[in-house]
Amino acid sequence: GAGVSQTPSNKVTEKGKYVELRCDPISGHTALYWYRQSLGQGPEFLIYFQGTGAADDSGLPNDRFFAVRPEGSVSTLKIQRTERGDSAVYLCASSLVGTYGYTFGSGTRLTVV
Amino acid sequence: AQSVSQHNHHVILSEAASLELGCNYSYGGTVNLFWYVQYPGQHLQLLLKYFSGDPLVKGIKGFEAEFIKSKFSFNLRKPSVQWSDTAEYFCAVMGPGSGTYKYIFGTGTRLKVLA
Repeated sequence: GAGVSQTPSNKVTEKGKYVELRCDPISGHTALYWYRQSLGQGPEFLIYFQGTGAADDSGLPNDRFFAVRPEGSVSTLKIQRTERGDSAVYLCASSLVGTYGYTFGSGTRLTVV
Repeated sequence: AQSVSQHNHHVILSEAASLELGCNYSYGGTVNLFWYVQYPGQHLQLLLKYFSGDPLVKGIKGFEAEFIKSKFSFNLRKPSVQWSDTAEYFCAVMGPGSGTYKYIFGTGTRLKVLA
């Protein structure tokens, strides 16, 4: 597609539930990134994929968070046993490897009630 | 660890006023510096970037930023703002300390331009 697509755009879930957030990057972009933007903060790095593998997952806050990119294209961010503190906008971005300046998606606003 | 500070959290200006948004970063080595903009309801977009060379960088929509190494600063400027510049602006750093692919963002500055 023309841009980075994230679905759903909004997700409300109950505390303790499991959620999946999807990111469809720009075709041909081998690098994919997830960031989290909490209210009043700038985006914070979560994980970076180069192709199918997670090259850097140092930003994942704990083991409830996991992300996959099995075919090197679409990625899914998975959050288990959601907590109210997980409420944020989850941003995905993609780029060509070795280039600076990503293309960001519009994000998924996750609200845990 | 690297950090980025944006001291102005909210700025309100009238159209045609001049704009300067502050950005300071903590890392002393070679860094790449960026400004991103997020218009209401839209995704983050790259406004301008600095890698090396001329410290005065020109970006889209009449924005520019000046890299001052001695002050660890990369302030964003625009001589005359328009109502359509209402948005949130984020300064970001990318450099050896952040893996060369990973942004460290500031907390953002919300700019409101009054028509």
